Amino acid sequence: AAGVIQSPRHLIKEKRETATLKCYPIPRHDTVYWYQQGPGQDPQFLISFYEKMQSDKGSIPDRFSAQQFSDYHSELNMSSLELGDSALYFCASRDTGVDYGYTFGSGTRLTVV
Amino acid sequence: AQKITQTQPGMFVQEKEAVTLDCTYDTSDQSYGLFWYKQPSSGEMIFLIYQGSYDEQNATEGRYSLNFQKARKSANLVISASQLGDSAMYFCAMRSRNAGNMLTFGGGTRLMVKP
Repeated sequence: AAGVIQSPRHLIKEKRETATLKCYPIPRHDTVYWYQQGPGQDPQFLISFYEKMQSDKGSIPDRFSAQQFSDYHSELNMSSLELGDSALYFCASRDTGVDYGYTFGSGTRLTVV
Repeated sequence: AQKITQTQPGMFVQEKEAVTLDCTYDTSDQSYGLFWYKQPSSGEMIFLIYQGSYDEQNATEGRYSLNFQKARKSANLVISASQLGDSAMYFCAMRSRNAGNMLTFGGGTRLMVKP
């Protein structure tokens, strides 16, 4: 079965650089969520999209932006990177018709040096 | 606001024994769902089990069962017959319709299975 695809798997950037993380949800899933998991921490919700429109916003810094495109893939853009942005970034997609139907991608591990 | 609390930062269990991981939650919503995820050292988030707030029976999935006590707002995960491969971080999470249906996670419990 198709899963949620995230790219890249690993990314190393320097401070003040920009990064773009990509997420390809499961076909026919109508909602995408982005989460940030710092070292030794639980995942924190950043932002979500429903049918390509932003639906909810969590603790996402102003330096970050995200969008969902016509083919339903989503991108998280991160600018002016800081050391504290080093984390595992998860994308999850969901069919809102299924209460438990959240599927996580394998994550992108971002290291800012 | 909704909140998930996991009070056990780390636990040991002997191989083949059962173990219970605690999770309590707080929400004012009547319609919500509770999840358990396993995160091995490789980092991926693996779905284990789900319990809806209106489900009358406790959820079970193979060696995993969820001890749902609605009045006490607890949703403990029971793993029977622990295996070495069960060593991982375990997160309890909640979905609440009034909170936009995103998942809110607890702080996690690191389970270590001893041979």
